[in-house]
Amino acid sequence: SQTIHQWPATLVQPVGSPLSLECTVEGTSNPNLYWYRQAAGRGLQLLFYSVGIGQISSEVPQNLSASRPQDRQFILSSKKLLLSDSGFYLCAWSVQPPETQYFGPGTRLLVL
Amino acid sequence: GQQLNQSPQSMFIQEGEDVSMNCTSSSIFNTWLWYKQEPGEGPVLLIALYKAGELTSNGRLTAQFGITRKDSFLNISASIPSDVGIYFCAGQGLSGGSNYKLTFGKGTLLTVNP
Repeated sequence: SQTIHQWPATLVQPVGSPLSLECTVEGTSNPNLYWYRQAAGRGLQLLFYSVGIGQISSEVPQNLSASRPQDRQFILSSKKLLLSDSGFYLCAWSVQPPETQYFGPGTRLLVL
Repeated sequence: GQQLNQSPQSMFIQEGEDVSMNCTSSSIFNTWLWYKQEPGEGPVLLIALYKAGELTSNGRLTAQFGITRKDSFLNISASIPSDVGIYFCAGQGLSGGSNYKLTFGKGTLLTVNP
């Protein structure tokens, strides 16, 4: 069966520091991968998606970037965090068809 | 772009009551998904609907894919305290270039009083 991991689970970082969040999927090959941000427990905003190694599409202009160095690894990064980067970050995967997305446990990021 | 209207935004019910929530779209979807999210956790898929008119159950949960392809509902029967959480609908459109992206509703916060 497939599983998705995210780490760290919680992160507190100062403004201006770098960020690296990792997501890995097990039990499937060539998944589509997604990064979402959720603010205040509601409303999922799609940040990035990837349909293959090295292929990244950005949904909204922002302070963050994503990379996919391996088939089942997706990384969310920032060179300098802003206060507004605080939130709950969710990684998800899907395979086509039918493209049903399955979410990881999330990373809670607090920027101070 | 595509938009989803999910209602109600929140519900406060007594244990044992039935619950109904729905989502409507301004455009056609070819997939409807319902997720539940508990505090501090990622959304968990409850029911997936892939065909217009489809009615699917998962225990006490029942969801339907509207015949117009622009709406879906989720019913929970005989609610229990562990049903508490935020329920999200999500739809996937028909545009070929972005078939893998979902549009999410803003969620329904469900509170169940024992």
